[in-house]
Amino acid sequence: EDKVVQSPLSLVVHEGDTVTLNCSYEVTNFRSLLWYKQEKKAPTFLFMLTSSGIEKKSGRLSSILDKKELFSILNITATQTGDSAIYLCAVQGAQKLVFGQGTRLTINP
Amino acid sequence: DTAVSQTPKYLVTQMGNDKSIKCEQNLGHDTMYWYKQDSKKFLKIMFSYNNKELIINETVPNRFSPKSPDKAHLNLHINSLELGDSAVYFCASSQLGRGLTEAFFGQGTRLTVV
Repeated sequence: EDKVVQSPLSLVVHEGDTVTLNCSYEVTNFRSLLWYKQEKKAPTFLFMLTSSGIEKKSGRLSSILDKKELFSILNITATQTGDSAIYLCAVQGAQKLVFGQGTRLTINP
Repeated sequence: DTAVSQTPKYLVTQMGNDKSIKCEQNLGHDTMYWYKQDSKKFLKIMFSYNNKELIINETVPNRFSPKSPDKAHLNLHINSLELGDSAVYFCASSQLGRGLTEAFFGQGTRLTVV
């Protein structure tokens, strides 16, 4: 059965800290790994990763995929209170998109 | 232009009623999904349709029946609503065939069964 596991489930840090969120997976016919940020409404797309070892970067956020060890990390540097959200990892297999349980990130001022 | 739109945004109804949620995407994607997000924010896949054909039906009670009249629409009908059906339901679409894309989400429908 396809499975996506995120850790930690919850993380509280101070503004300015750097955080690393983890995602491991077991999926048949891997197509891509996706990171989303969810605040109050629908998840918003951050990154799509299909190749190992190539870092994707957007401002203070970056992500990388390891297809051999079946995991990905999402890094956020110099965190701000606006980064507080649930971060979702999802893996696209042949026919479905499976989500992890999410990491609830709280940034305290 | 809204990429994935679902209606209604909010739905409050009594136990035992039948209700529908509609979803439309204008992205030309070949695959559409329904997800249920519970109070712990876990997004659990319910159904996946590829080119109007049901390809994934997770362990969802048969009171839930999806219908895809065409590639751009995937509606969800729920019979005999129960208290445990209260959740936020998200519709999403993606391209799984040529030109793989990320999934785009609708704004969600918050269903409350009283």
